[in-house]
Amino acid sequence: GQQLNQSPQSMFIQEGEDVSMNCTSSSIFNTWLWYKQEPGEGPVLLIALYKAGELTSNGRLTAQFGITRKDSFLNISASIPSDVGIYFCAGLDNYQLIWGAGTKLIIKP
Amino acid sequence: GAVVSQHPSRVICKSGTSVKIECRSLDFQATTMFWYRQFPKQSLMLMATSNEGSKATYEQGVEKDKFLINHASLTLSTLTVTSAHPEDSSFYICSASPKLMGEQYFGPGTRLTVT
Repeated sequence: GQQLNQSPQSMFIQEGEDVSMNCTSSSIFNTWLWYKQEPGEGPVLLIALYKAGELTSNGRLTAQFGITRKDSFLNISASIPSDVGIYFCAGLDNYQLIWGAGTKLIIKP
Repeated sequence: GAVVSQHPSRVICKSGTSVKIECRSLDFQATTMFWYRQFPKQSLMLMATSNEGSKATYEQGVEKDKFLINHASLTLSTLTVTSAHPEDSSFYICSASPKLMGEQYFGPGTRLTVT
């Protein structure tokens, strides 16, 4: 089925580093969502974006909705060990979520 | 706010038996609830969408007679896996949306193992 293009697939970073991941789509979405999922848990909503060009922060997380409504990025500043997990972008198409494949964040000890 | 619970978190059942999984929105009324299945290292796969008081809408390839969904109230939806087989073993996750075509909030998931 339809899927968003999310990159990178995985990231190995040092604690304290900034992280950036992004998603692109060939379709326009009115709502773009970023989730984090840890092993054995359901996804947790991090940031919801509703307006083209919107820049929203949630603590150390910042996400922007592209002006064309076809892309978004998520930044994490000063990463800490509890940031590990898989980050998913999702576009809301009416009531259904169209998912990216996820970005696995691994923090090197 | 926007908390969704799921019960049980883990269940092991024998092949041929049925298993019921509950999904509850704890602090909001959910116009729509969703059931997903997730395979290892993959994103979530939508199984069905349910609205309170009406029949669920199943995605292509999902057997409605095998995965029975009941959305009896604005805060409770249940998924029953009937006559479970080992290939039904998976991670099942529900989500709920407080508004039509709004963002979804996920439960913690249920790990089903069929022996």
